[in-house]
Amino acid sequence: NAGVTQTPKFQVLKTGQSMTLQCAQDMNHEYMSWYRQDPGMGLRLIHYSVGAGITDQGEVPNGYNVSRSTTEDFPLRLLSAAPSQTSVYFCASSYSRSSSSYGYTFGSGTRLTVV
Amino acid sequence: KNEVEQSPQNLTAQEGEFITINCSYSVGISALHWLQQHPGGGIVSLFMLSSGKKKHGRLIATINIQEKHSSLHITASHPRDSAVYICAVRVFRKVWGAYSGGGADGLTFGKGTHLIIQP
Repeated sequence: NAGVTQTPKFQVLKTGQSMTLQCAQDMNHEYMSWYRQDPGMGLRLIHYSVGAGITDQGEVPNGYNVSRSTTEDFPLRLLSAAPSQTSVYFCASSYSRSSSSYGYTFGSGTRLTVV
Repeated sequence: KNEVEQSPQNLTAQEGEFITINCSYSVGISALHWLQQHPGGGIVSLFMLSSGKKKHGRLIATINIQEKHSSLHITASHPRDSAVYICAVRVFRKVWGAYSGGGADGLTFGKGTHLIIQP
């Protein structure tokens, strides 16, 4: 089924470990983005990409890296996990950054706990 | 002050009631989205609005650009409507020339309205 696939769904990390959250979409969407969701804070933008080879920072980028080597994939890397990165992470995609005519498709989320 | 404010934060109603959730924003936007998040955690896009009104089944969304306000209505509410409803706006912070960092693109979210419909 077409959509946004996020893996893993759950992950427990120790402080200082690294990991990559995977996000893939098969809808040929140009725009992809990562959000984190924390209690009482709502969803906040971490990084986004407007196309292959182009990425930019969002509201809360510190501690996270991204790359966009293909249109389909937009992985989020935690280089040295910290307890403050315990959160639920969502990847989302849309046809175009500049278009206001298209909705967003969200992945099912990754629940990350850093101990 | 948050750029997107939702009210109420929590709402409990009886099955069949007409539900209204409000969203106010303080910035210029290109579009406003209403999203639904069920207890399982997945987020589903319900509506995207840039003007006027949209209807899908029992759900109706309206937006008043001049007043910077949107509402989501649920008619004949049902327990399966129980979820968190999230308002999000797409704010463009353009930088002339090339894409550059520092500005936040993407969606800016309200904190959500937790709706419970009791049978």
